[in-house]
Amino acid sequence: DVKVTQSSRYLVKRTGEKVFLECVQDMDHENMFWYRQDPGLGLRLIYFSYDVKMKEKGDIPEGYSVSREKKERFSLILESASTNQTSMYLCASHLTGRSNQPQHFGDGTRLSIL
Amino acid sequence: TQLLEQSPQFLSIQEGENLTVYCNSSSVFSSLQWYRQEPGEGPVLLVTVVTGGEVKKLKRLTFQFGDARKDSSLHITAAQPGDTGLYLCAGFIPNQFYFGTGTSLTVIP
Repeated sequence: DVKVTQSSRYLVKRTGEKVFLECVQDMDHENMFWYRQDPGLGLRLIYFSYDVKMKEKGDIPEGYSVSREKKERFSLILESASTNQTSMYLCASHLTGRSNQPQHFGDGTRLSIL
Repeated sequence: TQLLEQSPQFLSIQEGENLTVYCNSSSVFSSLQWYRQEPGEGPVLLVTVVTGGEVKKLKRLTFQFGDARKDSSLHITAAQPGDTGLYLCAGFIPNQFYFGTGTSLTVIP
């Protein structure tokens, strides 16, 4: 069974801290995505990656960076956390070029910045 | 700016009623997917529609892709409490998925 695993379900950090969110997939998918989910706004794309060491900005990249050193792992980094980054963060993977295939999501990390 | 608008945002209905959720855009998509998300979990794919005008049925759920591939609808017949959840549409324009704003459905027994 396919699986996307996010390292933490809940995380509480302080303003100004550097925060790392980790995501691992076991499906050998090329594409990986980081979204944030806020009520009434749906899922908004932060960054995505087509391959190892490749990254592309999504719709809301400000205040975030990403790292993809291995195919199965995609990390989201909050360089200096702020309270407006309190949100649910979802990681997903997808098979390249197959628009009829699903994105597979992790269960999310609920991040609170105090 | 949201590429895909869903309506309604919230829906609370009695068990046995029918409902329709709409997903609209001015952009053309290669395909459109519908996901359902339960509390504490990530979204899970329900269906993918690819061809303009396509209709797919999944038990009591009927999905339609607009002729111009800009919009879609989800119709649920005789809703059950187990249908409760957040419904999300997602349109694909290579190489990115664009998600709708979501419809939170509550079915009251």
